[in-house]
Amino acid sequence: SQQGEEDPQALSIQEGENATMNCSYKTSINNLQWYRQNSGRGLVHLILIRSNEREKHSGRLRVTLDTSKKSSSLLITASRAADTASYFCATTLGYSGAGSYQLTFGKGTKLSVIP
Amino acid sequence: GAVVSQHPSRVICKSGTSVKIECRSLDFQATTMFWYRQFPKKSLMLMATSNEGSKATYEQGVEKDKFLINHASLTLSTLTVTSAHPEDSSFYICSARDAGTGELFFGEGSRLTVL
Repeated sequence: SQQGEEDPQALSIQEGENATMNCSYKTSINNLQWYRQNSGRGLVHLILIRSNEREKHSGRLRVTLDTSKKSSSLLITASRAADTASYFCATTLGYSGAGSYQLTFGKGTKLSVIP
Repeated sequence: GAVVSQHPSRVICKSGTSVKIECRSLDFQATTMFWYRQFPKKSLMLMATSNEGSKATYEQGVEKDKFLINHASLTLSTLTVTSAHPEDSSFYICSARDAGTGELFFGEGSRLTVL
């Protein structure tokens, strides 16, 4: 079953505004990661938050994790046109063994930042 | 940072032919590599986990006879789409786990078009 579900599926904002994307998952996790993908390109790792962390910052990115609600949010502040991309959350499951290293991706949020 | 190279980035082939996609870790050893498939405007779906020196572990619904995976060295995994059909047209992405640090790096993806 799909582990991560992002919402909204698409988001269009003006440059300078903040963009918030949410991700929900179903099972316990070791960590949750956010990735960015420009159209037709590979994935770029943005930030990782572990299951025992609640908030993490990296530059203009702020990620929160609520394990009780099985949800995470990615906030991009002061957005730029160059932030236009698809953003995916991905989870690593909370059990040991070969499967624990697999990432399960959500459906993604397509962000468009209008100059 | 570490780089994962995928080749070719684009390939067009005739129906019935086989296509090989390479995934190389350029400056680290990767005991585990992952192959994903991404349909247009969709998320990444894990196809298989490739472990160096052993058989790949395929996800449910992925035909292992159709998608042959070989991980013969610590820096190279290959995915061969055998007897390709138009429905195999997709974007294939690999990722490689650094055996030393555990970090995961993604390739730029390979777009396969089967005519």
